[in-house]
Amino acid sequence: DSGVTQTPKHLITATGQRVTLRCSPRSGDLSVYWYQQSLDQGLQFLIQYYNGEERAKGNILERFSAQQFPDLHSELNLSSLELGDSALYFCASSVTLNTEAFFGQGTRLTVV
Amino acid sequence: QKEVEQDPGPLSVPEGAIVSLNCTYSNSAFQYFMWYRQYSRKGPELLMYTYSSGNKEDGRFTAQVDKSSKYISLFIRDSQPSDSATYLCAMSPFDSGSARQLTFGSGTQLTVLP
Repeated sequence: DSGVTQTPKHLITATGQRVTLRCSPRSGDLSVYWYQQSLDQGLQFLIQYYNGEERAKGNILERFSAQQFPDLHSELNLSSLELGDSALYFCASSVTLNTEAFFGQGTRLTVV
Repeated sequence: QKEVEQDPGPLSVPEGAIVSLNCTYSNSAFQYFMWYRQYSRKGPELLMYTYSSGNKEDGRFTAQVDKSSKYISLFIRDSQPSDSATYLCAMSPFDSGSARQLTFGSGTQLTVLP
């Protein structure tokens, strides 16, 4: 167990809907990352937050947004969902910007 | 063309075999190289991290980097059934053991048969 908690573990929703994925980082970790893993694209970096501020952005769609709250948990919001958004979404956390990150077990999103 | 290409496998070997997993890359800016292991239904975990050409050993695992050929490898000696997982190479232009802006390979699924 990495200490990173993601909820829910599974989510099934319809096209056009909006969902929120939640991540609780390891105790003491200030940095949170979101990754998407799909069969055709592999594991892709979406966005990083450090102590509440956005620090790096990757291949994140405009329909997706994230934030990190004062208690350091993070949420990834996915809206206007499409079939192609079906994937595993991972959260990872690290103590600082440049230390090893630990991944959570992921949220499996299925859009039908 | 993807920036990082990884032999997809799947790869099936008998217990005790030496396993070789490989990635090639095209972006010369990549300076830091990592190998992650991902068990089914779990998140990736960092196995090895290196930044220089040459070999780095950690127990049964050896990471090899050849920057001139843009080629990295992970060798697993005396493979065990518990090594059965998907192995992902990852690269970054930054001095970072973190997950920030890593570019991952597509993963090689390894099965070690008892």
